[in-house]
Amino acid sequence: QQQVRQSPQSLTVWEGETAILNCSYENSAFDYFPWYQQFPGEGPALLIAIRSVSDKKEDGRFTIFFNKREKKLSLHITDSQPGDSATYFCAASAIASSSFSKLVFGQGTSLSVVP
Amino acid sequence: EAGVTQSPRYAVLQEGQAVSFWCDPISGHDTLYWYQQPRDQGPQLLVYFRDEAVIDNSQLPSDRFSAVRPKGTNSTLKIQSAKQGDTATYLCASSFEGAEQFFGPGTRLTVL
Repeated sequence: QQQVRQSPQSLTVWEGETAILNCSYENSAFDYFPWYQQFPGEGPALLIAIRSVSDKKEDGRFTIFFNKREKKLSLHITDSQPGDSATYFCAASAIASSSFSKLVFGQGTSLSVVP
Repeated sequence: EAGVTQSPRYAVLQEGQAVSFWCDPISGHDTLYWYQQPRDQGPQLLVYFRDEAVIDNSQLPSDRFSAVRPKGTNSTLKIQSAKQGDTATYLCASSFEGAEQFFGPGTRLTVL
């Protein structure tokens, strides 16, 4: 059972455009949602994260929008740069439970930013 | 501050052979995780430790996989009798008290 789903599987945007990456989840207990960025040959690196008590989290060009009722969130990357070309993973965990440390990852979205 | 280090970076073996992966977490991090990441998929948790204790190994194929963290610092993940389906990148991550997880570069395993 895929608890965290991402779409699209791949996305191509022009430099300067806004890239929108989507994520949905099934487990209502999930209340912490980090996004990770992964370049080829490297491990994932935390980009930005949101807790379910918030509906928006901003960090520079990266913004998470969160809809708890629909169990959906999205990552918006404004003014996309070629250096943003990477795979982005949405992940989820349940802070309130004893398995707080247990992250469940989606399948990833491969983003290409064309100059 | 040094990040999470892993070795080897690559491994190629025949089916039936054994292999070990080594992880050195960030100094002071009490929690250590091992993930399996098949090609073009997200990381999947295999096992994680708090200090030297296993907290969750429910996703670790126990018949062929084993993981230890004897002194609560470095950790070793071992695969006995590897199968082609084990081909993946094996990632180690660490955190302090279950907060942000920092990942190492991974070991890319190919089983022929």
